[in-house]
Amino acid sequence: EDQVTQSPEALRLQEGESSSLNCSYTVSGLRGLFWYRQDPGKGPEFLFTLYSAGEEKEKERLKATLTKKESFLHITAPKPEDSATYLCAVEGVHDYKLSFGAGTTVTVRA
Amino acid sequence: DSGVTQTPKHLITATGQRVTLRCSPRSGDLSVYWYQQSLDQGLQFLIQYYNGEERAKGNILERFSAQQFPDLHSELNLSSLELGDSALYFCASSGPGEQYFGPGTRLTVT
Repeated sequence: EDQVTQSPEALRLQEGESSSLNCSYTVSGLRGLFWYRQDPGKGPEFLFTLYSAGEEKEKERLKATLTKKESFLHITAPKPEDSATYLCAVEGVHDYKLSFGAGTTVTVRA
Repeated sequence: DSGVTQTPKHLITATGQRVTLRCSPRSGDLSVYWYQQSLDQGLQFLIQYYNGEERAKGNILERFSAQQFPDLHSELNLSSLELGDSALYFCASSGPGEQYFGPGTRLTVT
């Protein structure tokens, strides 16, 4: 069974203080690794899909990277509006579903 | 706005009752996924339909069932409701390499 572990559970940052979130995964054949942002009570908002080790994707202050065992979401110079829960998920080649981690809740203080 | 719509937004009902949640996927998407999100379980995959056919099943209870209709909208039926079924229920639809979530239905069982 696919497994996804995210760390840390919570992260408190000062505005402008860059940091990274970790997503470790085990899957028998990776079809894709997904990153989402979720605000309280709202649906997850799609950010990135990564397919193979070495791949990187960027969107505004966010950059996602992928290795064979883990993915990192780097937040550069965060702003208070970056406060949210960031979810990581994997889809295996034998699956038709996403397996999610528990998420990292990021709070950015002005 | 992801393009995935869900109704109703909120649902309050009593134990033992039956409810139906509705989802319309993004225009052109053939796949519909249902997920449950509770505070202690995170996002859990329930079931996937592709072009009207069931494609994958997760940890969906026997009291729960779903279907996808010819116009591609989907319904999730929850019966004999228990207090523990209180959660956010999300629908998602997918294009190549992306999965987009709707705003969710918050179910409260009293």
